[in-house]
Amino acid sequence: DAGVIQSPRHEVTEMGQEVTLRCKPISGHDYLFWYRQTMMRGLELLIYFNNNVPIDDSGMPEDRFSAKMPNASFSTLKIQPSEPRDSAVYFCASSRQGAQPQHFGDGTRLSIL
Amino acid sequence: AQTVTQSQPEMSVQEAETVTLSCTYDTSESDYYLFWYKQPPSRQMILVIRQEAYKQQNATENRFSVNFQKAAKSFSLKISDSQLGDAAMYFCASKIQGAQKLVFGQGTRLTINP
Repeated sequence: DAGVIQSPRHEVTEMGQEVTLRCKPISGHDYLFWYRQTMMRGLELLIYFNNNVPIDDSGMPEDRFSAKMPNASFSTLKIQPSEPRDSAVYFCASSRQGAQPQHFGDGTRLSIL
Repeated sequence: AQTVTQSQPEMSVQEAETVTLSCTYDTSESDYYLFWYKQPPSRQMILVIRQEAYKQQNATENRFSVNFQKAAKSFSLKISDSQLGDAAMYFCASKIQGAQKLVFGQGTRLTINP
């Protein structure tokens, strides 16, 4: 089975630009998670979906961040406008219902200049 | 609230030796799950091992095993016969039964000396 697929792998853009990160979860997984990893704060959960519905977005830093899951096989995390402090590695993960572990994508390294 | 603490920012071990990475956690729940993830320089997060809190038997996966001490809220990872490919950041994480949120520790960077 294919794992969680994220794109792009790297993104470098200038401050103020819109950034869109993409994720394809593992087929059959009910849950999708977006994380941010920085040296200062470690791994933080931003938002997660269950059956395409956002369940908990309390980790989303501010209104500049938005996430959507239009169908079971695709999700986006958008930052508009981007700021240098948004520079981080963003991970998408998915899991089945219940006690199943989360499987992570390879992450997107985002650099905002 | 859940917390996970990894008190060793860095560890090193000689190739073929055994190393133990420490993790403590705090939760008021009785049913939960514990995980160790490995993050090599390639940045991918790889599940190493998992433990259900209701199981007394320690989980093992080949050269990886855990020492789960529920009363002490301790969940250490033992790596036997260390290999160069084991070099990575290791993250301990917990999840409450019925919830989906994973809480991660700060990570331990493991270096393998040839």
